[in-house]
Amino acid sequence: DVKVTQSSRYLVKRTGEKVFLECVQDMDHENMFWYRQDPGLGLRLIYFSYDVKMKEKGDIPEGYSVSREKKERFSLILESASTNQTSMYLCASKNGWRDEQFFGPGTRLTVL
Amino acid sequence: TQLLEQSPQFLSIQEGENLTVYCNSSSVFSSLQWYRQEPGEGPVLLVTVVTGGEVKKLKRLTFQFGDARKDSSLHITAAQPGDTGLYLCAGADTSGTYKYIFGTGTRLKVLA
Repeated sequence: DVKVTQSSRYLVKRTGEKVFLECVQDMDHENMFWYRQDPGLGLRLIYFSYDVKMKEKGDIPEGYSVSREKKERFSLILESASTNQTSMYLCASKNGWRDEQFFGPGTRLTVL
Repeated sequence: TQLLEQSPQFLSIQEGENLTVYCNSSSVFSSLQWYRQEPGEGPVLLVTVVTGGEVKKLKRLTFQFGDARKDSSLHITAAQPGDTGLYLCAGADTSGTYKYIFGTGTRLKVLA
């Protein structure tokens, strides 16, 4: 089974802090994604990566950056956390030619 | 912009009842996925439909892709409390950008 793990299930940070969310997948998938999920808004794509060191902006990249130095690891960085970044963050990966995404358990981030 | 609308948004039914969830768009998708998400967890893939008119069955769940590949439905027969969760549909963006459009979800509660 594909396993996608995320570094934390719950995080509480202060406004202005730099926040790192890490995601690791164990199935050698080329593509990895970061989404945020908010009530009534569904899943919105922040960034995705189609290969090591390659990244593309999603629909809501403002205030976020990403890093993919190794194939299995995709990190989301909040440069200066703000209260409107309080959300559930979901990482996903998929094989390059298939459409099925495999999600991690999510990180619920609260910014105070 | 491609959008996916799900209906109903909320559904509360008694164990043993049947239900149908709809996922509609004005855009064509190359494939469509259905996921189920339980509270505090990431979405888990249920099925992918690819061909217009395709019907797939997963035990008591029946998935159908519209002939024009713009819509899909999920029918659950004899619902059980274990079916409770958030059901999400997702369509593969046909512009080849690795993006997926997610519906806002249908929250199902099955009462024993």
